[in-house]
Amino acid sequence: GQQVMQIPQYQHVQEGEDFTTYCNSSTTLSNIQWYKQRPGGHPVFLIQLVKSGEVKKQKRLTFQFGEAKKNSSLHITATQTTDVGTYFCAGLSGGYNKLIFGAGTRLAVHP
Amino acid sequence: KAGVTQTPRYLIKTRGQQVTLSCSPISGHRSVSWYQQTPGQGLQFLFEYFSETQRNKGNFPGRFSGRQFSNSRSEMNVSTLELGDSALYLCASSLETSYDEQFFGPGTRLTVL
Repeated sequence: GQQVMQIPQYQHVQEGEDFTTYCNSSTTLSNIQWYKQRPGGHPVFLIQLVKSGEVKKQKRLTFQFGEAKKNSSLHITATQTTDVGTYFCAGLSGGYNKLIFGAGTRLAVHP
Repeated sequence: KAGVTQTPRYLIKTRGQQVTLSCSPISGHRSVSWYQQTPGQGLQFLFEYFSETQRNKGNFPGRFSGRQFSNSRSEMNVSTLELGDSALYLCASSLETSYDEQFFGPGTRLTVL
């Protein structure tokens, strides 16, 4: 079945350092969505990527969708303590009309 | 606009019992999906309902079932509870499809003793 792998599982950084999480799918994706879940909270939608090679930015966050539409990344520049949480990617492939979530990357930011 | 609401927020049950969880989607949203979140397994898709019909299903045993009402509200039921069913159950609503942004509720924390 469809699988979405996400690495790393956990990363801690010093405030001001950059952070990247990667998402890889076993199948070609129609789209990919990114969510953030704060500790004790629920996932909140960040962005959706649809086109091959697409790059989108939200302030310090940069999202990329691979050319083959099988991988994606989220990069945070100059992390802040407010970036703490777990970042999930979720992919949708043509043959499976359901979002498959990666296991998430838990980000800890030390001041 | 009110967000997705889930009731109850916390639940403690014993093995063998059954439980029903409720989800009210955002007004106008017709798709409701359910997920199980555990520390070891992440977010696992249970099922999706649209227009009172189950449109997609994850790889969970038949003890997990759900339904959707004409007002898009949804319930999920777990029968014959097992210890491993302890988890956070999240409901998410979207306008029409899984291609749309998912709005998650706060979840129901189920503990099975």
